[in-house]
Amino acid sequence: EPEVTQTPSHQVTQMGQEVILRCVPISNHLYFYWYRQILGQKVEFLVSFYNNEISEKSEIFDDQFSVERPDGSNFTLKIRSTKLEDSAMYFCASSENRAGNTIYFGEGSWLTVV
Amino acid sequence: SQQGEEDPQALSIQEGENATMNCSYKTSINNLQWYRQNSGRGLVHLILIRSNEREKHSGRLRVTLDTSKKSSSLLITASRAADTASYFCATGLNTGGFKTIFGAGTRLFVKA
Repeated sequence: EPEVTQTPSHQVTQMGQEVILRCVPISNHLYFYWYRQILGQKVEFLVSFYNNEISEKSEIFDDQFSVERPDGSNFTLKIRSTKLEDSAMYFCASSENRAGNTIYFGEGSWLTVV
Repeated sequence: SQQGEEDPQALSIQEGENATMNCSYKTSINNLQWYRQNSGRGLVHLILIRSNEREKHSGRLRVTLDTSKKSSSLLITASRAADTASYFCATGLNTGGFKTIFGAGTRLFVKA
């Protein structure tokens, strides 16, 4: 069964460093998403992406964050100048369509900022 | 209440019993999805119900949706120890963009 894959599974970074989290969505999907989950808390929407542009973003997704689809398969989340509070599990997801379609999630990338 | 708010927050039952989890939301939705998350792992999709549907079944899972009350329920019948996990409802919103919002989840513990 096709799946969303994410790398790395775990990354430790120094505060102030830049981090890029990578995702390979399911191949025929057109809609891509990033979510994050701080340990023990709810899953929070960050951004959705369609047709090579951001479709919607939350208040969490400020100028520190950016997304890109550099080629036909990868979808990346860049976090500039990481802060301690960026420590979380980051989930990539994709869906074939918008309304009424299942969103499939990857296993997540644990980011620890020290 | 917030968009996608589950109750109870935690539920502990014996193996073989049924588990019911509820979700309430505030705004108009396109669909509602239920996910399971084992500790520290990814989100596993369980079932999607569209806004024009009232009930769906998948194996031991039964989901209902009442758009007039802005609520949904997930029933797991004949629970097993392996069902122990957190369960989240996620609402697909009627916005111009593509946004699905998760609730805080129900932690289910099934005792063997």
